[in-house]
Amino acid sequence: AQSVTQLGSHVSVSEGALVLLRCNYSSSVPPYLFWYVQYPNQGLQLLLKYTTGATLVKGINGFEAEFKKSETSFHLTKPSAHMSDAAEYFCAVSQNTGFQKLVFGTGTRLLVSP
Amino acid sequence: NAGVTQTPKFRVLKTGQSMTLLCAQDMNHEYMYWYRQDPGMGLRLIHYSVGEGTTAKGEVPDGYNVSRLKKQNFLLGLESAAPSQTSVYFCASSRLQAANYGYTFGSGTRLTVV
Repeated sequence: AQSVTQLGSHVSVSEGALVLLRCNYSSSVPPYLFWYVQYPNQGLQLLLKYTTGATLVKGINGFEAEFKKSETSFHLTKPSAHMSDAAEYFCAVSQNTGFQKLVFGTGTRLLVSP
Repeated sequence: NAGVTQTPKFRVLKTGQSMTLLCAQDMNHEYMYWYRQDPGMGLRLIHYSVGEGTTAKGEVPDGYNVSRLKKQNFLLGLESAAPSQTSVYFCASSRLQAANYGYTFGSGTRLTVV
């Protein structure tokens, strides 16, 4: 079975500061990994994904994540936070064969202060 | 291109009442999913469908039924609503190789059971 752990239900940063949202996964097979963002009163939208190839993945809005197999991690980063980044972020994992159902973490709410 | 459309957006039910949530997608996706989102618990899969006429149980199926009579529609039913079913419900759809492309989410239905 696959699972995802997101450390920290809330993360607060100042505008312009580094954003780091942590995600660790558990998977018995090579995983596909995803980050989704949810703005208030909206559905989830895909930020970025890792399937195969380069382990550093770039997404929309200046976010990126690095797949580290040895650490079973897929942390999300952004060099400089913007007020518009305030949202809830979900990490998700799926297996790369068979029925590729996504399993989501519990989410991290990012708060950005001026 | 509308993507995934959920109706209604908001609903208040009394305990014991029934209702149906409708999800419609116009992307010709094979797979469709119903999730519920609760604070601190992330997204939990209720039911899913891998094609027209098929349905399967997810993590938290009790108290819900689903139907997929047409490829583009996925209905979620509550036969006898309970306060524990107060939640935000999201529908999603994906291609056959879901992990390569991720999911497309609707904007959600906020359901309150009193």
